[in-house]
Amino acid sequence: GAGVSQSPSNKVTEKGKDVELRCDPISGHTALYWYRQSLGQGLEFLIYFQGNSAPDKSGLPSDRFSAERTGGSVSTLTIQRTQQEDSAVYLCASSPERLYEQYFGPGTRLTVT
Amino acid sequence: KNEVEQSPQNLTAQEGEFITINCSYSVGISALHWLQQHPGGGIVSLFMLSSGKKKHGRLIATINIQEKHSSLHITASHPRDSAVYICAVRKGETSGSRLTFGEGTQLTVNP
Repeated sequence: GAGVSQSPSNKVTEKGKDVELRCDPISGHTALYWYRQSLGQGLEFLIYFQGNSAPDKSGLPSDRFSAERTGGSVSTLTIQRTQQEDSAVYLCASSPERLYEQYFGPGTRLTVT
Repeated sequence: KNEVEQSPQNLTAQEGEFITINCSYSVGISALHWLQQHPGGGIVSLFMLSSGKKKHGRLIATINIQEKHSSLHITASHPRDSAVYICAVRKGETSGSRLTFGEGTQLTVNP
């Protein structure tokens, strides 16, 4: 079946602009995660959605970052007033239940010029 | 000090060699993941384990909960195993399901 998909695959934006990154999880997966991987650095957690529960936003680096998940499926990560330090690969993952292994999407490479 | 430490950072091996990558963590966990990231960036989950040992093909993962340590072994390594291997832990239940990642081990297997 289809895996986790993300769009766009690449995004170049000017500093100060807003961007939206999209994640389509595997159908039926109730948990959805956003991670970020900056150049030369490890992965860091951003936000986690589980079913209809309140999301765990504890990894969001600033209030310029927000995410929503509509209808328990598609998720959008929004970055407002982008800064150069926001340049990174943004990865989405989903899992069928909170404790199961996670399936990663291909990522969106964001470049802020 | 990072909560998840991997060693070595970089590893170069000859085809056919037995490879071990180590992961130590300093927090209570409910599960540990081994992930593989290829040069194109895609991440694949190799193992999720909370005790004992798991095997898949030429890959073996072990975990010692008391010692807070896990190892990933690759037998009969091949150039296609060249990738970054990442250890990640899920902390205790009260922290939800966020993963905390090690810095990764860059493995290069030469023919």
